[in-house]
Amino acid sequence: DGGITQSPKYLFRKEGQNVTLSCEQNLNHDAMYWYRQDPGQGLRLIYYSQIVNDFQKGDIAEGYSVSREKKESFPLTVTSAQKNPTAFYLCASRTRIGYTFGSGTRLTVV
Amino acid sequence: DQQVKQNSPSLSVQEGRISILNCDYTNSMFDYFLWYKKYPAEGPTFLISISSIKDKNEDGRFTVFLNKSAKHLSLHIVPSQPGDSAVYFCAANTGNQFYFGTGTSLTVIP
Repeated sequence: DGGITQSPKYLFRKEGQNVTLSCEQNLNHDAMYWYRQDPGQGLRLIYYSQIVNDFQKGDIAEGYSVSREKKESFPLTVTSAQKNPTAFYLCASRTRIGYTFGSGTRLTVV
Repeated sequence: DQQVKQNSPSLSVQEGRISILNCDYTNSMFDYFLWYKKYPAEGPTFLISISSIKDKNEDGRFTVFLNKSAKHLSLHIVPSQPGDSAVYFCAANTGNQFYFGTGTSLTVIP
């Protein structure tokens, strides 16, 4: 089945460490997105990529980095510069009618 | 600045009755709108969409209404079922990305 795979589902990180969240898609979609969900704040755009080797900052890019070396993959690195990284992270790709989302990664800083 | 707003964080409805979820937006350039449904610890799934050239779109128990002059859209679910209990996000599109509301948590009481 085609879709978006995010891994891991749950991730724990110590303060001061970088961590990378995986997002893989087999839908042959060009555009991919990373969102962060916090209670009461909906989905906020971190980064997006419309094509391989190109990406753009979203509304809350500070403390995050991405790469897009392959069409299928759009990993997100949460760096130690991100002050409040505990959240639910969603990866998505653009379809003809909207987005297809992955199942998300819950990141907790301990 | 929140361009898409869902002012009701939660809504409770009796099974069989109508659920009405509301969404307001500020950007008159938005030309395409969607509703997503999200269960805890899962990614949002597409529910229904509407283009700005229409004022109503219906799909089974779900109907979305768009009032462009008021910059308002609503999702009607009738009859509501316990399985509809979830968080509902509205989203609006212009250009490369979608802007999401903060979500409304719907509880359908059996």
